[in-house]
Amino acid sequence: NAGVTQTPKFQVLKTGQSMTLQCAQDMNHNSMYWYRQDPGMGLRLIYYSASEGTTDKGEVPNGYNVSRLNKREFSLRLESAAPSQTSVYFCASSRPLYEQYFGPGTRLTVT
Amino acid sequence: AQSVTQLDSQVPVFEEAPVELRCNYSSSVSVYLFWYVQYPNQGLQLLLKYLSGSTLVKGINGFEAEFNKSQTSFHLRKPSVHISDTAEYFCAVSRTGRDDKIIFGKGTRLHILP
Repeated sequence: NAGVTQTPKFQVLKTGQSMTLQCAQDMNHNSMYWYRQDPGMGLRLIYYSASEGTTDKGEVPNGYNVSRLNKREFSLRLESAAPSQTSVYFCASSRPLYEQYFGPGTRLTVT
Repeated sequence: AQSVTQLDSQVPVFEEAPVELRCNYSSSVSVYLFWYVQYPNQGLQLLLKYLSGSTLVKGINGFEAEFNKSQTSFHLRKPSVHISDTAEYFCAVSRTGRDDKIIFGKGTRLHILP
């Protein structure tokens, strides 16, 4: 089992560029999540998906869109990147009411 | 709504000494509680969790935590730390019987001094 995988590991964007962060899990989990981690802020939920075909906003959704392509994959899109979106992005998955499993993260810098 | 407060942003401790990382939560409903660890340049992994039952929960790597409902606390302890415990530790809470969203604290960075 690979668990939760994320691509890319690192990315540098210019302001205004777009990109999609990919996430996949092979644990047959229904729920998937996207977080951002900033120094001193902990993890903040961007979007989550309780099941295939459903998505909901988290604490900081502005500037992001998501797609739950199927049960395995949950992508995060930045349509027009801004310096404030410089962060480390984590994808996670879980069974209902159980702990979350995290991917290794994507380190994004927007210049 | 739930919230989590980790009272210390950084905790320095000498190797082989005991450590306690403090966590308080706020919720009007029953909760599940978690501690996660993040080693440098890695994602988070679960250390231990409290769902119900015994209030003393044992996790991986010799860590344990005690759920105290009256004080709304879930402090993490280890009797003797090792240099390999250097990491950031996150306390987290979710509502019982509801959606899967977890609220994370801001983290406590554990520095092990030689």
